[in-house]
Amino acid sequence: DVKVTQSSRYLVKRTGEKVFLECVQDMDHENMFWYRQDPGLGLRLIYFSYDVKMKEKGDIPEGYSVSREKKERFSLILESASTNQTSMYLCASSQHDEETQYFGPGTRLLVL
Amino acid sequence: GESVGLHLPTLSVQEGDNSIINCAYSNSASDYFIWYKQESGKGPQFIIDIRSNMDKRQGQRVTVLLNKTVKHLSLQIAATQPGDSAVYFCAENSGGSNYKLTFGKGTLLTVNP
Repeated sequence: DVKVTQSSRYLVKRTGEKVFLECVQDMDHENMFWYRQDPGLGLRLIYFSYDVKMKEKGDIPEGYSVSREKKERFSLILESASTNQTSMYLCASSQHDEETQYFGPGTRLLVL
Repeated sequence: GESVGLHLPTLSVQEGDNSIINCAYSNSASDYFIWYKQESGKGPQFIIDIRSNMDKRQGQRVTVLLNKTVKHLSLQIAATQPGDSAVYFCAENSGGSNYKLTFGKGTLLTVNP
């Protein structure tokens, strides 16, 4: 089975802090994705990556950056956290030639 | 723009009944569809998928139907159980080369004992 893990289930941060969310997958998938999920808005794509050191902006990249130094790890960075970044953050991965994405358990981030 | 949508935001069924969750899509170029189940506090879990060259696909207690004429997708759950209570949402790939998915907002299924 595909296993996608996220470093934290819950995080509480203060406005202006730099926040790192880590995601690791163990299936040697090329594609990795970061989404945020908000009530009434569904899943929105922040960034994705096709390969190591490759990244592309999704639909809502503002205020975020990413890092993919190793194939199995994809990090989401909030350079200066703001209250409107309070959300559920979901990481997913997929094989390079398949559309099926497998999700991690999510990180619920609260920015005070 | 084109997007994936759902007809019903909530669905309440009795245990043992069959459930049908619907999804409408507007992008005729979409060639792949997937259903996810998300339990409270958890990440989405893959249920079943279907390609546009098929009309029906069955899994264990679940069936996905695709009607390309009216751009409609449905998920049928047989003999619904309390453990099926969750948010279900569909997603589509609009045929691009980067395998991004566009997600619907979800339907909350509640199973009453």
